[in-house]
Amino acid sequence: AQSVTQPDIHITVSEGASLELRCNYSYGATPYLFWYVQSPGQGLQLLLKYFSGDTLVQGIKGFEAEFKRSQSSFNLRKPSVHWSDAAEYFCAVGPMNRDDKIIFGKGTRLHILP
Amino acid sequence: NAGVTQTPKFRVLKTGQSMTLLCAQDMNHEYMYWYRQDPGMGLRLIHYSVGEGTTAKGEVPDGYNVSRLKKQNFLLGLESAAPSQTSVYFCASTIAGTMQETQYFGPGTRLLVL
Repeated sequence: AQSVTQPDIHITVSEGASLELRCNYSYGATPYLFWYVQSPGQGLQLLLKYFSGDTLVQGIKGFEAEFKRSQSSFNLRKPSVHWSDAAEYFCAVGPMNRDDKIIFGKGTRLHILP
Repeated sequence: NAGVTQTPKFRVLKTGQSMTLLCAQDMNHEYMYWYRQDPGMGLRLIHYSVGEGTTAKGEVPDGYNVSRLKKQNFLLGLESAAPSQTSVYFCASTIAGTMQETQYFGPGTRLLVL
């Protein structure tokens, strides 16, 4: 069965520093991959998604993610974080079969130091 | 265009009471979903609907019922609330159920069962 793992529950970085949030998935084929962000008290918002093609995907708010098939990873990156990036980030995997559902990771909470 | 809205925003129930959470979307989306979010658990799918008049079970359906009498509304019911149902509930919708579609989330309903 497909699954997605976010190894880091919490990450703290200084404002202006670079960021990488890890995501690993388990699936027999190349899945659809997503990153969502949840600001405090809000619903989830899509940052970016990967289906095929270029393995480096650009998203909103200056985020990007790279799909690495050999590592079964889809890590989220940002070269310079801002205080407003403090939020919880969810990686998700969705299979090719339209009858199956998207599976969310347990999330990584990002804290920003001033 | 309000997107996905949820009513109420917050509710306190006593064990055994019943209530209905309302999700409404004005984007003419076919698929709608109910998730619950608990600390350290990510989002777990309760029920979903692939169109008006249809519903299906997700990952954690026990203790919940749903109805989709109108395309724009998806109701989540708790017939006899239990403390284990204390959670934040999110509704989401997609144009169709393919994994290429972005899920649009509501702002959430925070439920406390005493």
